[in-house]
Amino acid sequence: AQKITQTQPGMFVQEKEAVTLDCTYDTSDPSYGLFWYKQPSSGEMIFLIYQGSYDQQNATEGRYSLNFQKARKSANLVISASQLGDSAMYFCAMREMAGGSYIPTFGRGTSLIVHP
Amino acid sequence: SAVISQKPSRDICQRGTSLTIQCQVDSQVTMMFWYRQQPGQSLTLIATANQGSEATYESGFVIDKFPISRPNLTFSTLTVSNMSPEDSSIYLCSVEDPDRYGYTFGSGTRLTVV
Repeated sequence: AQKITQTQPGMFVQEKEAVTLDCTYDTSDPSYGLFWYKQPSSGEMIFLIYQGSYDQQNATEGRYSLNFQKARKSANLVISASQLGDSAMYFCAMREMAGGSYIPTFGRGTSLIVHP
Repeated sequence: SAVISQKPSRDICQRGTSLTIQCQVDSQVTMMFWYRQQPGQSLTLIATANQGSEATYESGFVIDKFPISRPNLTFSTLTVSNMSPEDSSIYLCSVEDPDRYGYTFGSGTRLTVV
């Protein structure tokens, strides 16, 4: 079974609008972490935001916020006021304990295109 | 956050040859991760490398094909051996960031096998 599921292969948004990228996860580990990364066409992986499984509040980093719904095992990324430079692939990832170490696993990604 | 220098950034190689990819980290880290990203796909973990011990390989990846060295806490290499066109991918190294929750990645190696 997929540990990280991103059901939106592609998303389109108008510049200055908000967009939500979906992510659901599957784990039996009570202590885990959730991440979002941005990968522009240059190929670099850019860390956006982190949410710990025990965090009570949703994580925020500037225009990025993570809508964490633990009971539903979802960790959606919300980008407010989209900019043209936000066009990229977005990967949801989870780290959980495996063999005594925290190992990260990535979803298939969502391609976001921001229209002017 | 940690900074990783990854080399080479890209290469075009003949089938049957090998390529060694290097990652240098500006701080000491316990674990280093190696990923493969095939065109249009997600990141697939190849192996986890700890200093002073054998790398731990994920299902579908073997040491003979992807030997890894980890001579110290700031450096690691991944070799792609006996390459075929199916090995054409981006290869990325990554470390757990010592300053925050998250992982820092090298800039990637774009490998094309012809």
